Amino acid sequence: QSVLTQPPSVSGAPGQRVTISCTGSSSNIGAGFGVHWYQRLPGTAPKLLIYGTNNRPSGVPDRFSGSRSGTSASLAITGLQAEDEADYYCQSYDSSLNGLAFGGGTKLTVL
Amino acid sequence: QVQLRQSGPGLVKPSQTLSLTCAISGDSVSSNSAAWNWIRQSPSRGLEWLGRTYYRSKWYSDYAVSMKGRITINPDTSKNQFSLQLNSVTREDTALFYCARYTSDWAFDYWGQGTLVTVSS
Repeated sequence: QSVLTQPPSVSGAPGQRVTISCTGSSSNIGAGFGVHWYQRLPGTAPKLLIYGTNNRPSGVPDRFSGSRSGTSASLAITGLQAEDEADYYCQSYDSSLNGLAFGGGTKLTVL
Repeated sequence: QVQLRQSGPGLVKPSQTLSLTCAISGDSVSSNSAAWNWIRQSPSRGLEWLGRTYYRSKWYSDYAVSMKGRITINPDTSKNQFSLQLNSVTREDTALFYCARYTSDWAFDYWGQGTLVTVSS
């Protein structure tokens, strides 16, 4: 059972907006630790998509954005494209683990 | 451009030691601003951070609590790489292993290509 909880799957039609939630606790997201998001395309290593809640590395389209509130964080994808179909993972530091925590991952299907 | 290139066997027998290496190009294992990590992914455990090594005037290594006692991560400055050793493996250790770098706030910006390690006799 992951320390950070994500929905197993979300879906949306091309052009639509989807959000993926990441629910944590007072020992991780709620404690103010950075929240990061990764995109994993089939057969590839995870790619950093969002860091520090809502910062995009160079090359990541501004269709991707992040937010946080309390013990939760969210990834939003607007203008959904077929190439966005992938697994998405959230990550934060957890003080009770004294280490990193990952979400269980969310599979995005573009209808 | 930073690149991480993993190497090591894809099959390990139960009770033996799993050994992987991650060769770094475009950065230095001795960087004062980076940390070098091992992460694995399996269907049963999802993504799991295993540990890291980093240099801040001296070398440090620390590990996930779940791994302590079985894991060693070491730098090799002569080859600009770092390694993972996981002792006494069981079938539960079968996973896709990644090396990865972070420079800020535990955000992994570069990853190795991944190595599928199967524990089987």
